[in-house]
Amino acid sequence: AQSVTQLDSHVSVSEGTPVLLRCNYSSSYSPSLFWYVQHPNKGLQLLLKYTSAATLVKGINGFEAEFKKSETSFHLTKPSAHMSDAAEYFCVVSDRGKAAGNKLTFGGGTRVLVKP
Amino acid sequence: DVKVTQSSRYLVKRTGEKVFLECVQDMDHENMFWYRQDPGLGLRLIYFSYDVKMKEKGDIPEGYSVSREKKERFSLILESASTNQTSMYLCASRRGLAGGTGSWGQETQYFGPGTRLLVL
Repeated sequence: AQSVTQLDSHVSVSEGTPVLLRCNYSSSYSPSLFWYVQHPNKGLQLLLKYTSAATLVKGINGFEAEFKKSETSFHLTKPSAHMSDAAEYFCVVSDRGKAAGNKLTFGGGTRVLVKP
Repeated sequence: DVKVTQSSRYLVKRTGEKVFLECVQDMDHENMFWYRQDPGLGLRLIYFSYDVKMKEKGDIPEGYSVSREKKERFSLILESASTNQTSMYLCASRRGLAGGTGSWGQETQYFGPGTRLLVL
């Protein structure tokens, strides 16, 4: 079984300051991990994904995430927040074993507020 | 770019009505998915389909059914809508993988804009 925990339901940052969104996962197999972003009234957009290559993954809009197997974490960071980063972010795990059946498991989401 | 469209952005229905939510993708993807999104719960999988006329139950299939008669179209059906089915519904599609490579989980899912359904 796989599961995802996003440790913060809301994060508030000032424009220009770093952003950290925390995610821990559990998985029976070697996982693939994703971060998606959802802007108001929009569909989910893929930010980045980890699929067993480099543990530090760079995504769009200046975001990056580091896969740490020993900590079962996949935290999302950005050095300097922009107003356009205000959105909801989802951490997602997918087991890569065939028996897992192709499923994605979503975390509960972290809503980011960016203050001017 | 992959495009996933959903027939309605907003729907208001009455308890007991039969509701159809339509999803169309234009990238010839084999796999399609229906999720519902509720605050604090993230997205939960209702049903998915590997190919035409193929369907599998997800985590919360009760009260829902699906239809996939054409590759590009995946429909979610609420046989008799209830107030606890008020939610945001998201469709997604993904390229399938032939054979048992064991790397199914790596493919990206592409999402539609969602349908916000209110059942009164």
